Amino acid sequence: GEDVEQSLFLSVREGDSSVINCTYTDSSSTYLYWYKQEPGAGLQLLTYIFSNMDMKQDQRLTVLLNKKDKHLSLRIADTQTGDSAIYFCAESTITGGGNKLTFGTGTQLKVEL
Amino acid sequence: DGGITQSPKYLFRKEGQNVTLSCEQNLNHDAMYWYRQDPGQGLRLIYYSQIVNDFQKGDIAEGYSVSREKKESFPLTVTSAQKNPTAFYLCASMPPDGYNEQFFGPGTRLTVL
Repeated sequence: GEDVEQSLFLSVREGDSSVINCTYTDSSSTYLYWYKQEPGAGLQLLTYIFSNMDMKQDQRLTVLLNKKDKHLSLRIADTQTGDSAIYFCAESTITGGGNKLTFGTGTQLKVEL
Repeated sequence: DGGITQSPKYLFRKEGQNVTLSCEQNLNHDAMYWYRQDPGQGLRLIYYSQIVNDFQKGDIAEGYSVSREKKESFPLTVTSAQKNPTAFYLCASMPPDGYNEQFFGPGTRLTVL
């Protein structure tokens, strides 16, 4: 079955880089995602990576995928106070009932001045 | 503007009462999903629907029911059989093609007194 794990908390200083890590178990996942959730709100897709890619860069965001170790990371360069939020990784799986996402527990990122 | 709406934002109910949470989308998406979010546990899938008049149980369907009579609407009923219903409930939808991104509503916080 699918299981996605993340550490619960990360604290960084403004201007530093943040690295949020995630491990997953389903090797058949086609896409992996990073979502951001601000307090009391829904989730917003930040970026995604196709399973045959190793790296994807999008402005301040860099996603690294190690498929052998089933490890996904999100690096945020020059972290700002507006980046404080919960970050979820997720994997896409296909079941008999259709596509579904399995989410990690979420990492609370706190950016300090 | 296209999007997903959930209403109300906050909902209070007495123990033993059924309550229905609304989810509407005008994105013309076929697939819709209901998640429950609890602190430190990430998102857990309750029910999902790939098409009108069809839906599948997710990982924690017990004590919940859904219907999908229209493409735009996927209401979730929290029944009195749900032992711990107080949580943040998120609805999402997904387009039929692309990279399986899910679009989320703003969520409903249900408190059972």
